[in-house]
Amino acid sequence: DSGVTQTPKHLITATGQRVTLRCSPRSGDLSVYWYQQSLDQGLQFLIQYYNGEERAKGNILERFSAQQFPDLHSELNLSSLELGDSALYFCASSSSLAGEVDTQYFGPGTRLTVL
Amino acid sequence: DQQVKQNSPSLSVQEGRISILNCDYTNSMFDYFLWYKKYPAEGPTFLISISSIKDKNEDGRFTVFLNKSAKHLSLHIVPSQPGDSAVYFCAASDTGGFKTIFGAGTRLFVKA
Repeated sequence: DSGVTQTPKHLITATGQRVTLRCSPRSGDLSVYWYQQSLDQGLQFLIQYYNGEERAKGNILERFSAQQFPDLHSELNLSSLELGDSALYFCASSSSLAGEVDTQYFGPGTRLTVL
Repeated sequence: DQQVKQNSPSLSVQEGRISILNCDYTNSMFDYFLWYKKYPAEGPTFLISISSIKDKNEDGRFTVFLNKSAKHLSLHIVPSQPGDSAVYFCAASDTGGFKTIFGAGTRLFVKA
């Protein structure tokens, strides 16, 4: 158990819909990262937040957005969903200070299926 | 543009032998490298890391080698055990850019 929780575990929805994925980091971790893993693909970095502020952005679509709240939990919002958005979405957290590299601890992931 | 490449999608090894997983990167700004292991239905877990100021780091059965001139790193598992069967992700980070880039992963099968 990494200490990172993600809800829900599974999500099935239709094209055009909007969903919210939730992540609670390990106690004390200030950084939260979101990744997308499509079938047989690697982990695609989406976005990182550090203590409530956006710190780094990767290949995140404009239809996707995220935020980190004062209690440090984070939400990833996916809108106007397309079939190709079906994937595993992982959240990770770390205690790293800005500009440092630290081990990331991953949650179990949310499997999103868009029909 | 794949900045971190794991060219072998899968690898099969006999129990007790050495497993060697390879990873290449293209960005010379990367200065920290990590390996993660992933079992089905679980998130990746950190395995071992190496800073660009070193060329080797060892932790029990796991050793990571870094060849900066070739932009290549490898993970050696000796001896391999059936419980090592998992997907292994190589990752590279640029401390100035705050991002960690993952490779596509290599699925390791260790046969008993």
